Amino acid sequence: DAGVIQSPRHEVTEMGQEVTLRCKPISGHDYLFWYRQTMMRGLELLIYFNNNVPIDDSGMPEDRFSAKMPNASFSTLKIQPSEPRDSAVYFCASRWSGSNQPQHFGDGTRLSIL
Amino acid sequence: AQSVTQPDIHITVSEGASLELRCNYSYGATPYLFWYVQSPGQGLQLLLKYFSGDTLVQGIKGFEAEFKRSQSSFNLRKPSVHWSDAAEYFCAVGAGNNDMRFGAGTRLTVKP
Repeated sequence: DAGVIQSPRHEVTEMGQEVTLRCKPISGHDYLFWYRQTMMRGLELLIYFNNNVPIDDSGMPEDRFSAKMPNASFSTLKIQPSEPRDSAVYFCASRWSGSNQPQHFGDGTRLSIL
Repeated sequence: AQSVTQPDIHITVSEGASLELRCNYSYGATPYLFWYVQSPGQGLQLLLKYFSGDTLVQGIKGFEAEFKRSQSSFNLRKPSVHWSDAAEYFCAVGAGNNDMRFGAGTRLTVKP
C-alpha cells in the first residue's frame, strides 16, 4: 500500500518566490490535513479537507497561504510570496471518515526560505 | 475543545531499561487517543490507538499504552528500550468534531 506521498522533499528558495507543495493522499481516504512543524510552535494544523472541500482553514497563518484539493488524489499548499519565517517542515496527512480513524502522514517537505 | 499535555520535553533512558512517556488529555467525553513516533527526517508513524474497550492497548515495535479515565492519562510504555527507539513521540487526542490535537512531543534519547 502506498502511503501519503509529498513532493518535493526539500525546497530551498529565496524570499518573495512562490512555493507550491504537493500531496497525494492514500487512495480512498476522504480527509486530508496540512500541518506545519517548527521547533518553536510544534505541530500546527493549517487546514483540512473532507471530500475535496475545505472544512476548516482557521490555522492558515495569512492570506499568503492557500490550499486546494482539485480531486480526491491531489492537494497543493501554496505560499505566495514566501518569507523566511515560513521556513518549516510541512506535512500532509490523510484518513478515512470517522474521528476515531488515525491520520497517516507523509514524510514532509522541508522548506527553507532564504 | 480537547487538549493534550506531554509534561516531559526530553527523556533519556539507557538501552534495555524500561520506558514510560506521559500523556494527559482534557476532554468531556471518552476521547480517541493515539501515540505517534517521528524519526528524524520522517513523518509521524502511528504506534497505537485507543477508542474503547480494553484499556491496555498494544501497538507496534513492542509499545503499549494504558488508558486511565480517572487520571485523564494515556501513558506509553515499553519494557526494554532499544537504541532504534530514539525519536520524538507525540500523543494525540481526537473527538467527534473531526479535530485532532497533538501534544508538544517528548524527545527520547537512548544511552548505550
